[in-house]
Amino acid sequence: AQTVTQSQPEMSVQEAETVTLSCTYDTSESDYYLFWYKQPPSRQMILVIRQEAYKQQNATENRFSVNFQKAAKSFSLKISDSQLGDAAMYFCAYSFPQGGSEKLVFGKGTKLTVNP
Amino acid sequence: DAGVTQSPTHLIKTRGQQVTLRCSPKSGHDTVSWYQQALGQGPQFIFQYYEEEERQRGNFPDRFSGHQFPNYSSELNVNALLLGDSALYLCASSLRALNEKLFFGSGTQLSVL
Repeated sequence: AQTVTQSQPEMSVQEAETVTLSCTYDTSESDYYLFWYKQPPSRQMILVIRQEAYKQQNATENRFSVNFQKAAKSFSLKISDSQLGDAAMYFCAYSFPQGGSEKLVFGKGTKLTVNP
Repeated sequence: DAGVTQSPTHLIKTRGQQVTLRCSPKSGHDTVSWYQQALGQGPQFIFQYYEEEERQRGNFPDRFSGHQFPNYSSELNVNALLLGDSALYLCASSLRALNEKLFFGSGTQLSVL
């Protein structure tokens, strides 16, 4: 069974600084997707970034980037120039699409606090 | 575009009761998935509906059932509620054919007393 582990229950960062959130996963599949989702107090899960396992290039989305190490099964999220609005729960997730559908397996999350 | 809408936002039930949660997918989406998020945990996949049929199911008992209507909206039903069913229930929609990303609603917070 696939599992996703986030070893940092809480992290904090100063505004404008950089922070890295860690994630490891376990799978026997060779082709899969990895995601980082943000969940603010509004409770809605918002996709931050998505990585396809067959792509060696790390995904980037503006201030957000990932360090994808496939052999080590590691998928960390780097947030640059942190803003107060980045404060939220962050969840790492794995997906192995079957027949076109997408079932996500989530980690337990990391609570990010941004200090002014 | 209203995105994914869920109703109600909050619900309080007692043990043994039955509950129905509703979800309207984002416009143009045909696939609906349901997730349960217990306090302090990540969401767990319950099941997914496409073309009015359950296509995948997670490790949840038969007390959890669902339905998808011709307009792609969906219901999640939970029978014989237990205290452990207290959680945030999230609905997510997508367009299956293009394997597009999931869009989530803001969830229904269910409290079982």
